[in-house]
Amino acid sequence: ETGVTQTPRHLVMGMTNKKSLKCEQHLGHNAMYWYKQSAKKPLELMFVYSLEERVENNSVPSRFSPECPNSSHLFLHLHTLQPEDSALYLCASSHTGVGYGYTFGSGTRLTVV
Amino acid sequence: QKEVEQNSGPLSVPEGAIASLNCTYSDRGSQSFFWYRQYSGKSPELIMSIYSNGDKEDGRFTAQLNKASQYVSLLIRDSQPSDSATYLCAVRFAGNEKLTFGTGTRLTIIP
Repeated sequence: ETGVTQTPRHLVMGMTNKKSLKCEQHLGHNAMYWYKQSAKKPLELMFVYSLEERVENNSVPSRFSPECPNSSHLFLHLHTLQPEDSALYLCASSHTGVGYGYTFGSGTRLTVV
Repeated sequence: QKEVEQNSGPLSVPEGAIASLNCTYSDRGSQSFFWYRQYSGKSPELIMSIYSNGDKEDGRFTAQLNKASQYVSLLIRDSQPSDSATYLCAVRFAGNEKLTFGTGTRLTIIP
């Protein structure tokens, strides 16, 4: 496999459920990101991991919990979500350094009911 | 607050014409600039990057950067219906690893 792979593609969960989103990159990048994309809003950065260390947490509620066990894998653990958390969750990866753009995964469309 | 601004559109352009998409940013020290294309229901795809003042061409796409005026633009020549998508401008501000994205401009190419 090549690129950035996200699973699942679609997820419907109740507000009391616990689920996890998975991201895997096969590009040799050393930084990974979680973004949230809601309708008519810019991409919202949630978390940044550089060299497997979390370097940024953009005031994300604690019901979202990231995990980066190595430079190729990134998880987003979800629990007790709210309906307003329904969105497209995008994982991205890049080399560190100012000249590099991100490669995005296909995203997980999350619906909280 | 460092910002990236785009006209949300929609921008309608006849097939075969030139589509012009613009983006302004707030941080004069910004170092790298990217254009992403996002089809409906899909994830963003990197189509152009630019770092120096002037023009950079890649096929039908030309990115233009003017750091003094703090704007970056994307021109699409010979527009095709398949170019219909939302185009996101992204800027890496000085001293920051992350990209900041604009809200995107929705482009529709009319056959």
